[in-house]
Amino acid sequence: RKEVEQDPGPFNVPEGATVAFNCTYSNSASQSFFWYRQDCRKEPKLLMSVYSSGNEDGRFTAQLNRASQYISLLIRDSKLSDSATYLCVVTMNTGFQKLVFGTGTRLLVSP
Amino acid sequence: NAGVTQTPKFRVLKTGQSMTLLCAQDMNHEYMYWYRQDPGMGLRLIHYSVGEGTTAKGEVPDGYNVSRLKKQNFLLGLESAAPSQTSVYFCASSYLFDGELFFGEGSRLTVL
Repeated sequence: RKEVEQDPGPFNVPEGATVAFNCTYSNSASQSFFWYRQDCRKEPKLLMSVYSSGNEDGRFTAQLNRASQYISLLIRDSKLSDSATYLCVVTMNTGFQKLVFGTGTRLLVSP
Repeated sequence: NAGVTQTPKFRVLKTGQSMTLLCAQDMNHEYMYWYRQDPGMGLRLIHYSVGEGTTAKGEVPDGYNVSRLKKQNFLLGLESAAPSQTSVYFCASSYLFDGELFFGEGSRLTVL
């Protein structure tokens, strides 16, 4: 089982739609969680951290479910500019601390 | 405001050749990382550094060496390139280990 798993997609949605991605992680001792955004042929950039109580940044909402070991990203009112790959990142301690990236979920928003 | 700068951006090598990728950051970050990104594999950590003069192996260190002689620079070396090292390489830095990662624009390496 992969340490961090994401549905690769692509998720094809029309402008204005609401879309949600999940990311599951295998290590119950995982400590920190993040969503990064990566545009085609560009570097990843931090979208938002994920806090235990859940957090919101404009149209984006991130949530953590420790019991089921997954994090989620909800995007409301999708824009064309939201088209990108969304990477889930988890820090975990398996004898030493490490950051593990998921393979990403691709989102395509169409007019 | 440069952030993280990688050179070169593109390189084509023949099998067995050597090369060095340079990463420079101007944010005074302690932590620096080299990742490779391959289709369907996600970002995988090659080597990392927790401060000037330190280096450590990541998930896929074989075939690579690194050095961090100055805090702002992190070099990735390929001593004898192999086709399996064809990839996009990203350098990143962070203030805290589990803080925000700032990435360079990537270096596309092809080994023939």
